Amino acid sequence: KAGVTQTPRYLIKTRGQQVTLSCSPISGHRSVSWYQQTPGQGLQFLFEYFSETQRNKGNFPGRFSGRQFSNSRSEMNVSTLELGDSALYLCASSLADDYEAFFGQGTRLTVV
Amino acid sequence: SQQGEEDPQALSIQEGENATMNCSYKTSINNLQWYRQNSGRGLVHLILIRSNEREKHSGRLRVTLDTSKKSSSLLITASRAADTASYFCATAPSIQGAQKLVFGQGTRLTINP
Repeated sequence: KAGVTQTPRYLIKTRGQQVTLSCSPISGHRSVSWYQQTPGQGLQFLFEYFSETQRNKGNFPGRFSGRQFSNSRSEMNVSTLELGDSALYLCASSLADDYEAFFGQGTRLTVV
Repeated sequence: SQQGEEDPQALSIQEGENATMNCSYKTSINNLQWYRQNSGRGLVHLILIRSNEREKHSGRLRVTLDTSKKSSSLLITASRAADTASYFCATAPSIQGAQKLVFGQGTRLTINP
């Protein structure tokens, strides 16, 4: 069974640009969550989608948004990039609530 | 916000020894999960323990959960060089509408050959 796939693995963007990251969950998983990992703040929850609906949202500005498609694949978008958005962005999928969350390899975003 | 606190922040032991990491959290939870991360790569799922469970085993891993103390521990027995990594606990709060998973800051484990 294929794991969680995130693309691209690495990105370099310039301040003010926008970026879209993609996540394909494990087949059959309907819940997809996104996390940001930085050395200073650690792992922070961004948002979670289940069956195309956003169920939970973390404490991030509106520049961070996401969506989920009918095939459970998810994208997150960051607009007007800032230097502080440089981070490892991780996606996780799970079968349902109270089940294991499996993570992808992440997308390393560098904003210059 | 970080709910979990992990202790110690760093641990260095000899190969073959056992490693114990602790995690404390603040709110009621549905489950607690442990993860391993190598050098800023993705998180590898190790084990999930639910709030009504007290202990789980998986290979060389043993996890305990004490909901009265809001704490958990991860024991790795007979450590190997390949166990060198950062280990994170993550809690799934039972509060409706709460964050999906809340992570601790992690324990950096180094296994010396």
